[in-house]
Amino acid sequence: DTGVSQNPRHKITKRGQNVTFRCDPISEHNRLYWYRQTLGQGPEFLTYFQNEAQLEKSRLLSDRFSAERPKGSFSTLEIQRTEQGDSAMYLCASSLGGEADTQYFGPGTRLTVL
Amino acid sequence: GDSVTQMEGPVTLSEEAFLTINCTYTATGYPSLFWYVQYPGEGLQLLLKATKADDKGSNKGFEATYRKETTSFHLEKGSVQVSDSAVYFCALNSRTGANNLFFGTGTRLTVIP
Repeated sequence: DTGVSQNPRHKITKRGQNVTFRCDPISEHNRLYWYRQTLGQGPEFLTYFQNEAQLEKSRLLSDRFSAERPKGSFSTLEIQRTEQGDSAMYLCASSLGGEADTQYFGPGTRLTVL
Repeated sequence: GDSVTQMEGPVTLSEEAFLTINCTYTATGYPSLFWYVQYPGEGLQLLLKATKADDKGSNKGFEATYRKETTSFHLEKGSVQVSDSAVYFCALNSRTGANNLFFGTGTRLTVIP
């Protein structure tokens, strides 16, 4: 088990471009989360999948953001028409669920929008 | 709504000093509580957790006790090392809905030799 992996680790893009990030969770974990972390702040919840179903989205997730988990394994997060305010670290976490649910985080993708 | 308030940093300590980082929470119901640590250049790692009142989480010499009466989950370590230098995040999981985590703003700890 190699833990949660995310690609790319860093992405620099120009304002208005689209970007896509990938997350590979721990293999037996059926829950997958996306968070966003800006400098000097704690991570903030964006969205959540149980298997392939996207069950909850934060109000932080504007219409320019879309996430998928097509086969209940890896997930992608796409940002369309990026803005400078989208610059942040995007974190993925996975968990098994259950009463003492513990989320394990990937290393994150750092997005810089110029 | 659910929230976590964490002691602001940065905190600078000498090696072998005692560490306390305060964390208080607001939650409906009975949350699980966590401390995560972020070492320089690395991702968030789970440090310890507690799932019910009076539970004590411990790991790597760090401890935190889930205090329902004071809605607190303070992190302590008796003797810090240079390698403990990192950012520490307190978090709660309300165990309702998405089970997403609510994080504090983080406390940067620097331990000097």
